[in-house]
Amino acid sequence: DTGVSQDPRHKITKRGQNVTFRCDPISEHNRLYWYRQTLGQGPEFLTYFQNEAQLEKSRLLSDRFSAERPKGSFSTLEIQRTEQGDSAMYLCASSLAGTGNTEAFFGQGTRLTVV
Amino acid sequence: DQQVKQNSPSLSVQEGRISILNCDYTNSMFDYFLWYKKYPAEGPTFLISISSIKDKNEDGRFTVFLNKSAKHLSLHIVPSQPGDSAVYFCAASANSGAGSYQLTFGKGTKLSVIP
Repeated sequence: DTGVSQDPRHKITKRGQNVTFRCDPISEHNRLYWYRQTLGQGPEFLTYFQNEAQLEKSRLLSDRFSAERPKGSFSTLEIQRTEQGDSAMYLCASSLAGTGNTEAFFGQGTRLTVV
Repeated sequence: DQQVKQNSPSLSVQEGRISILNCDYTNSMFDYFLWYKKYPAEGPTFLISISSIKDKNEDGRFTVFLNKSAKHLSLHIVPSQPGDSAVYFCAASANSGAGSYQLTFGKGTKLSVIP
């Protein structure tokens, strides 16, 4: 399967712990996005990479959140000192940069539960 | 302030009939619109998109209509099938020039197609 892959699918952690999620985009896609979705809401944009450069960050991305995309391939999203409010589905998406608009393809997400 | 609004949280339609899902937006900079379908415990799946230079885009059973003056778009599914039962998200982006590639999502409409 050559879709967007996220790992792990589920993560339960204690408040105050650090967690890291991984996303492997579709191989030829150079744009990679992180979104967060909470119950009853649509996905909310967190950050965006073009190749290895992080070009946009949402105000939702507090200082406890950091994302990287070394070498412009896979990406990691780390949350430090987790809080209960961080419980959500974390979605990764990728798209191909082009002259026109291109749709983003999403992975299955990582569901984080902070207890 | 929600820039993309899906005012109907749920919709029930008989199999074989037309499903019409509506979406309103407030940001006049949006120039690309997408519909995603989401099953439980999965990431959103791209369905269909439309650029602001068009007012209609059709793909099989799915048609998206855009009314820029009203800042309104709709997704028509004809004929509706039980497998269409899912949550449908409307999303928009402002890609023109050096614009953002982030997607702004509505809260979703849960479609139930009754056999």
